[in-house]
Amino acid sequence: GEDVEQSLFLSVREGDSSVINCTYTDSSSTYLYWYKQEPGAGLQLLTYIFSNMDMKQDQRLTVLLNKKDKHLSLRIADTQTGDSAIYFCAESRSGTYKYIFGTGTRLKVLA
Amino acid sequence: DAGVTQSPTHLIKTRGQQVTLRCSPKSGHDTVSWYQQALGQGPQFIFQYYEEEERQRGNFPDRFSGHQFPNYSSELNVNALLLGDSALYLCASSTGGFVETQYFGPGTRLLVL
Repeated sequence: GEDVEQSLFLSVREGDSSVINCTYTDSSSTYLYWYKQEPGAGLQLLTYIFSNMDMKQDQRLTVLLNKKDKHLSLRIADTQTGDSAIYFCAESRSGTYKYIFGTGTRLKVLA
Repeated sequence: DAGVTQSPTHLIKTRGQQVTLRCSPKSGHDTVSWYQQALGQGPQFIFQYYEEEERQRGNFPDRFSGHQFPNYSSELNVNALLLGDSALYLCASSTGGFVETQYFGPGTRLLVL
């Protein structure tokens, strides 16, 4: 199937870490992406990971990939109010040009 | 370096009308993909244009058509608009390969009354 699933909501306090989770179904995924969408805006690419990697760190962002369980997570360290947005995971698959997106996780950061 | 640009930003149409949305890719990119994002949902792939041809299409009816120009910019046309076509339409640009990262524009919000 084509499902990419995410939990709908996450609320954290400013300064804490946030962990946003995503599961996907297709083992032919090549790259997995995290995008951020602020209200009324397009999608901003945050980071991505190649499917043969386990982890990627980029400043406050850490991506973990468990291929066996088809589970992807995005950890945001020292979460700030400006991180409040909807976060989408997306996968690209071998032999196709389209991205398949999850339904998005709305992150709310409480001051 | 300009990113992906889209026009118009907002549009209101009535059922049965036709609409054209426009996209200019990021500098150095030659491939344009279009996505539809309904309220509260993730983006859904409509189609991708490369070398002025549609090379992959998602599960959208023929009412949705497109075009790519020699300068790599693209148009999305939707005929016989339905209320359910109300959505944010996102354009993404990339270079031509399978695994090239797609960069998104700000979108065009279409409301069909």
